[in-house]
Amino acid sequence: GENVEQHPSTLSVQEGDSAVIKCTYSDSASNYFPWYKQELGKRPQLIIDIRSNVGEKKDQRIAVTLNKTAKHFSLHITETQPEDSAVYFCAAIGGGSEKLVFGKGTKLTVNP
Amino acid sequence: NAGVTQTPKFQVLKTGQSMTLQCAQDMNHNSMYWYRQDPGMGLRLIYYSASEGTTDKGEVPNGYNVSRLNKREFSLRLESAAPSQTSVYFCASSLRTGVNEQFFGPGTRLTVL
Repeated sequence: GENVEQHPSTLSVQEGDSAVIKCTYSDSASNYFPWYKQELGKRPQLIIDIRSNVGEKKDQRIAVTLNKTAKHFSLHITETQPEDSAVYFCAAIGGGSEKLVFGKGTKLTVNP
Repeated sequence: NAGVTQTPKFQVLKTGQSMTLQCAQDMNHNSMYWYRQDPGMGLRLIYYSASEGTTDKGEVPNGYNVSRLNKREFSLRLESAAPSQTSVYFCASSLRTGVNEQFFGPGTRLTVL
């Protein structure tokens, strides 16, 4: 089955800096890669996703890139703000699968 | 619209007790899921229901049972709780399985003593 590895497990940046979180997946048939943000004590919420037929997707300060050959995808946050502090989860789902597999999460802290 | 709701928010059980976690969605979604979240382990799928009338095992189904009561409701039952089941439980729903956004409920924090 699918396996998703996420790095780093914790990340601390200064306000205004960029943050990058990387994930690798094992199933070459995977075709959907969402990113969820979970603030402390809250539920996970989708912030951006990418499908296997697209190499990059942007939404304001957030972008996701996908390298199908290397089987990895990354979340990029530019001009970080304190409200970006949260745990971020990547996930992947294989072709024909019904099960989304999550990485273990990255705790991002943005220091004012 | 309330989205995905869960009850209770918090629960403390003694080892061996049973309980049922309730989940409901009002988005007319076909698929529903139960996850558990433990520190450093991410979100792990316990069971899911691709559509009304079907249920399937996820990654960590042992010790749990589920019921898809109707299209709106999906419950998770712990028949004989164990300390290893101390966790935060999230219910989620999506229009269908596969390439679809999953919407999460607020979670239930369960402690088994």
